[in-house]
Amino acid sequence: EIVMTQSPATLSVSPGERATLSCRASQSVSNNLAWYQQKPGQAPRLLIYGASTRATDIPARFSGSGSGTEFTLTINSLQSEDFAVYYCQQYNNWLFTFGPGTKVDIK
Amino acid sequence: QEQLQQWGAGLLKPSETLSLTCAVYGGSFSTYYWNWIRQSPGKGLEWIGEINHSGSTNYNPSLKSRVTISVDTSKNQFSLKLSSVTAADTAVYYCARGGLVVAAGYNWFDPWGQGTLVTVSS
Repeated sequence: EIVMTQSPATLSVSPGERATLSCRASQSVSNNLAWYQQKPGQAPRLLIYGASTRATDIPARFSGSGSGTEFTLTINSLQSEDFAVYYCQQYNNWLFTFGPGTKVDIK
Repeated sequence: QEQLQQWGAGLLKPSETLSLTCAVYGGSFSTYYWNWIRQSPGKGLEWIGEINHSGSTNYNPSLKSRVTISVDTSKNQFSLKLSSVTAADTAVYYCARGGLVVAAGYNWFDPWGQGTLVTVSS
């Protein structure tokens, strides 16, 4: 099983600032990595797939980068609706696994 | 794009069988794998398994002995059964569209159902 870790666990950011979230895989997943956003009481929403491709209707302030074992989700100019929990997920190995999440809250 | 709507019993006693169904509206049911994922405070997001329109399945080995995922192509629905539940199975259960049947490497989850909270308590 590929273990996904995320850091930090919580990130406090002021509106309008940039947030940088990290995700690490226990072994290479190539670029087979997705990012999701989850708000309280809602299902996760796909933001990024293929490590860097934005999903349909996702604003350009969300960007993903990385390959192999190290990945980054960057949110530029945080809006009020961006405060949420973010998860990474690998799909390089058929036993799909998720990271524990990073909570982005208001500073 | 597809919309997923799920339903099922929300309160179970230990040793009972969890049963959930997910209906897929719109899109192409036969093109994708259809997944069950759960989320609990203790274990986070956990992939349970997937099925395609032909009934081909893949399961998480940690749950495989207790899980059955089935499909009803006449209704564009798929279902989850988890037997012998315990308190550790208490979670929000989601259905979600997964990867393409004809090609590997597209196994992100989008869209998701609304989620069903399943509580196991005596």
